[in-house]
This record gives sequence, structure tokens and C-alpha cells, in this order.
Amino acid sequence: SYELTQPPSVSVSPGQTARITCSGDALPKQYAYWYQQKPGQAPVLVIYKDSERPSGIPERFSGSSSGTTVTLTISGVQAEDEADYYCQSADSSGSYVVFGGGTKLTVL
Amino acid sequence: EVQLVQSGAEVKKPGESLKISCKGSGYSFTSYWIGWVRQMPGKGLEWMGIIYPGDSDTRYSPSFQGQVTISADKSISTAYLQWSSLKASDTAMYYCARSAAGTSRGYYDYWGQGTLVTVSS
Repeated sequence: SYELTQPPSVSVSPGQTARITCSGDALPKQYAYWYQQKPGQAPVLVIYKDSERPSGIPERFSGSSSGTTVTLTISGVQAEDEADYYCQSADSSGSYVVFGGGTKLTVL
Repeated sequence: EVQLVQSGAEVKKPGESLKISCKGSGYSFTSYWIGWVRQMPGKGLEWMGIIYPGDSDTRYSPSFQGQVTISADKSISTAYLQWSSLKASDTAMYYCARSAAGTSRGYYDYWGQGTLVTVSS
């Protein structure tokens, strides 16, 4: 079955830039989306269609795509950005949805 | 205001059946796909499947096909996730979410609050 691969953890100091990657063979054909999930809360969409930012999401969140890898970038990380981040996409035929394994962002 | 309100926490025994619900409001319920996502304790998000309430078109993840049933009653704007025989490994938080942009593989813009299902003897 199709899989999306994320690093388990990323650590950055406040004010630095965090980059979280997500790799999958079908990413050149399918859009990727990113969610932020804080403990005890439902996920929140932070990026859609690879690089679009929903209203209400701070400008420090951005997304990009290159080949089979998509990247969520958080510029000027703040303590409140500490959370789990998940990418989402679909298999090459678009038959079903897949989430990446998630990345825990730690703000040192 | 778009809202997805899920049914309350459940505690069940192995082998029992269960049906949890997700009621949509504030939008045209029949025009958006509703997906179900599992999150086991301390683990990541897993996509289970999705339904289009307008015509009950349903898709399942290969991992969950045959293990659960997704349905909807458009007359009361409610989607359901059900099990016929629960296992301890079904213990998890279950979220429903609305798929934006009218596609079964789109992003989820609104989420329910989650339903915690605990299966224990």
C-alpha cells in the first residue's frame, strides 16, 4: 500500500526556521496538505494544495513541492508552534487518502 | 458556522457492536464528502474511508475495508462509523472531517471533536 514518509522529529530554537519533509512516489501527481495537531485537539489544516495557506494561518507557515518530496516550512518558529505535523495526499490513482506518520516539532 | 459534532465517548467489550455518529450543520451536508480518521493512543492519523452523503458513494482504505462500515443519513445530516465486532485494537480516538473542494481525496477543512472508543474486557 502507498506510504508517505516523514521524519519522526524535528527540533529548532525559537526564531529559527523549521523544515518538515514528506516523501511519496505519487506526490508529483497528487496535491499534498499539511495539518498541525496539538495535544488533546483535533488536527488543523495549515497548508493545502502543496503551498496554499488557509485564512487565519500565520504567514510564517509555507509549503513547497519538488519531485517526490513536499516540505512544510515554518519561519521564525514560536513556542506555540510546538506540535505534531502530518502530511496528507492520495495514491497515484486518487483512489484513497494517506497520511504521513507525523513529525513532532520541538521548540527548544 | 460549519460544525461537525460527534457522539460521546464509548466503553465497550470485545465482540460488541458499535455505531458512532457525526452530525454536520452550517453547510449543505449532501454536497461535501465526510471522511473518518483513526488515531490510536500516542500514534498518528490513519485514514479509514469516506462517504458522499448526497448519493452514499463510499470509499475505504485497504487497511480498513471489511473491518468497519461507513454510512450516512442525509435526512438528519449525520454520518456514521460502525463495527460489528469490536477488538481491543479498535481502542482509539475517531475523528470525522469534511473534505473540501468536492473531492474524495481533498483536504479536510473542518473536523469533529473526536469520539474516544475504548474496548476492554
